[in-house]
Amino acid sequence: EDQVTQSPEALRLQEGESSSLNCSYTVSGLRGLFWYRQDPGKGPEFLFTLYSAGEEKEKERLKATLTKKESFLHITAPKPEDSATYLCAVQGMEYGNKLVFGAGTILRVKS
Amino acid sequence: NAGVTQTPKFRILKIGQSMTLQCTQDMNHNYMYWYRQDPGMGLKLIYYSVGAGITDKGEVPNGYNVSRSTTEDFPLRLELAAPSQTSVYFCASRPDFPAGQYFGPGTRLTVT
Repeated sequence: EDQVTQSPEALRLQEGESSSLNCSYTVSGLRGLFWYRQDPGKGPEFLFTLYSAGEEKEKERLKATLTKKESFLHITAPKPEDSATYLCAVQGMEYGNKLVFGAGTILRVKS
Repeated sequence: NAGVTQTPKFRILKIGQSMTLQCTQDMNHNYMYWYRQDPGMGLKLIYYSVGAGITDKGEVPNGYNVSRSTTEDFPLRLELAAPSQTSVYFCASRPDFPAGQYFGPGTRLTVT
């Protein structure tokens, strides 16, 4: 059974204080790992797709990396507007077209 | 492009009532999904569709039904609403793999 565990559950940072969010996964044949950002009261917003170990993607202050067992979302010099819940999901061979989501990490960045 | 739209935004149902949550996408995506999100529990897949006329169950399908008569629309039907169905419901779509899913703004449903 495909599983996704995100840590920490919540993270508080000062503006400019860089950190990383973790997404550990077990999947029978990874087809893709996805990162989303979700603001309160809104639907998740797609950020990145990673397909194979060693792959990296960047967007503004965010950088996603992937190994065979986990993915990291690195946040460099965060700003208050980066505050949101970050969700990780995997698509594996077993579940075909379906994603399995983690519970998310709530990030708060204080100025 | 409006992307994925959902109606209504909010709804309160009494136990035993029925309703349909509407979802429409204008991106010509074949794949569409319905999720529910409960606090601290992440997104759970209810039903999904890989194209018009084709639907399949997800993790938590009990108490729900779907249909997919067109590429654009993917309504979710709740029959005999129960308090356990109080949740936020999200519809999503995606183009053919490989691609991320695009989510609608959600419907907040309360069953009392």
